[in-house]
Amino acid sequence: NAGVTQTPKFQVLKTGQSMTLQCAQDMNHEYMSWYRQDPGMGLRLIHYSVGAGITDQGEVPNGYNVSRSTTEDFPLRLLSAAPSQTSVYFCASRRQEYTDTQYFGPGTRLTVL
Amino acid sequence: AQKVTQAQTEISVVEKEDVTLDCVYETRDTTYYLFWYKQPPSGELVFLIRRNSFDEQNEISGRYSWNFQKSTSSFNFTITASQVVDSAVYFCALTPNTGNQFYFGTGTSLTVIP
Repeated sequence: NAGVTQTPKFQVLKTGQSMTLQCAQDMNHEYMSWYRQDPGMGLRLIHYSVGAGITDQGEVPNGYNVSRSTTEDFPLRLLSAAPSQTSVYFCASRRQEYTDTQYFGPGTRLTVL
Repeated sequence: AQKVTQAQTEISVVEKEDVTLDCVYETRDTTYYLFWYKQPPSGELVFLIRRNSFDEQNEISGRYSWNFQKSTSSFNFTITASQVVDSAVYFCALTPNTGNQFYFGTGTSLTVIP
């Protein structure tokens, strides 16, 4: 099992550019999430999905889009990158029930110039 | 409201000292789970423990131990005989049985000095 994988590991964008952060899991987990981590603020939820075809907003969704066409993949799209989106992004997955442990990918460090 | 507070932003200890990381949570749910994660300098998030709200037994795993007290809404984490490899940021998190979200504290950065 590869667990949760994310690509790329590092990315530098210019303001206004768009890109997609990839996330995949091979544990057949229904629930997947995207978080951003900023100094002193812990992890904040961007978007999440409770299954293929179902997504919802988290705490900080503005400027990001998601879709979930398969159980395995949950890409995060930045529509028009801004310097405020400079952050480390983590994808996570768990089985459907709230009681289950959430497992994280290795993270993507994004810098927007 | 759901909230996790880790009041200790940074802690430094000398190797072999014991250290306790505090976690205080708020929730109106009677059923919930609490977690601790470790984030070493390499950046990944490593799961350490999960505890449900009905189980107040303390847990020990090697040099790690956790003290869950519902009366004070706390879930503290103690490292005994700290080692340099324990240097990391530690996050406490809460997931209630309503909704689908994990709520993270802001983390405690632990530095163990050799």
